Amino acid sequence: EVQLLESGGGLVQSGGSLRLSCAASGFTFSSYAMSWVRQAPGKGLEWVSGISGRGGSTYYADSVKGRFTISRDNSKNTLYLQMNSLRVEDTAVYYCANGLTVAGSFDYWGQGTLVTVSS
Amino acid sequence: QSVLTQPPSASGTPGQRLTISCSGSSSNIGSNFVYWYQQLPGTAPKLLIYGDNQRPSGVPDRFSGSKSGTSASLAISGLRSEDEADYYCAAWDDSLSGWVFGGGTKLTVL
Repeated sequence: EVQLLESGGGLVQSGGSLRLSCAASGFTFSSYAMSWVRQAPGKGLEWVSGISGRGGSTYYADSVKGRFTISRDNSKNTLYLQMNSLRVEDTAVYYCANGLTVAGSFDYWGQGTLVTVSS
Repeated sequence: QSVLTQPPSASGTPGQRLTISCSGSSSNIGSNFVYWYQQLPGTAPKLLIYGDNQRPSGVPDRFSGSKSGTSASLAISGLRSEDEADYYCAAWDDSLSGWVFGGGTKLTVL
């Protein structure tokens, strides 16, 4: 059974930093691309970032480019999102999701972790 | 403002057939597969349709997807109360080198 478990969310002040983690199990982690998708309170889904299976290719939404860094440790079956220079508008539930390629769907999703950025 | 355009709401009665539209452009829907996700209240999204019109195992055949040009549709037949959820379309955008989502359609079963 595929399981994705996010952690690391919490309350942080504007301008601060936070690192999210996503622990994966139930599939061959290194064979799958991974992505972060967020959802602001009461709003729709917004793709944040994606990384290829081996980590050699990364992609970012314009809204987070230069502030967020996606990475993965295939030896630990874990995906990360380093978030710097956080803004109030980054407040959201952050989901990790897997797919065969970065451009090829989000097959399974974690339960999400809430990030709240205060002013 | 979402790159893909969906109606914000839709409603139907049990047993009815209903469609949700998703409009995009040549750089996303027009050149890449469309995906649909269902988000039940208080839960994470779930893949409903992939590759324009394919259903993952476990998804009832009441759900179907189609695409024509730069628009796509999700059809739900035999509407049930448990179908009440938010539905999102998504596609990879070649110009942005990233994913774009529709704003979501909240389905109410009357």
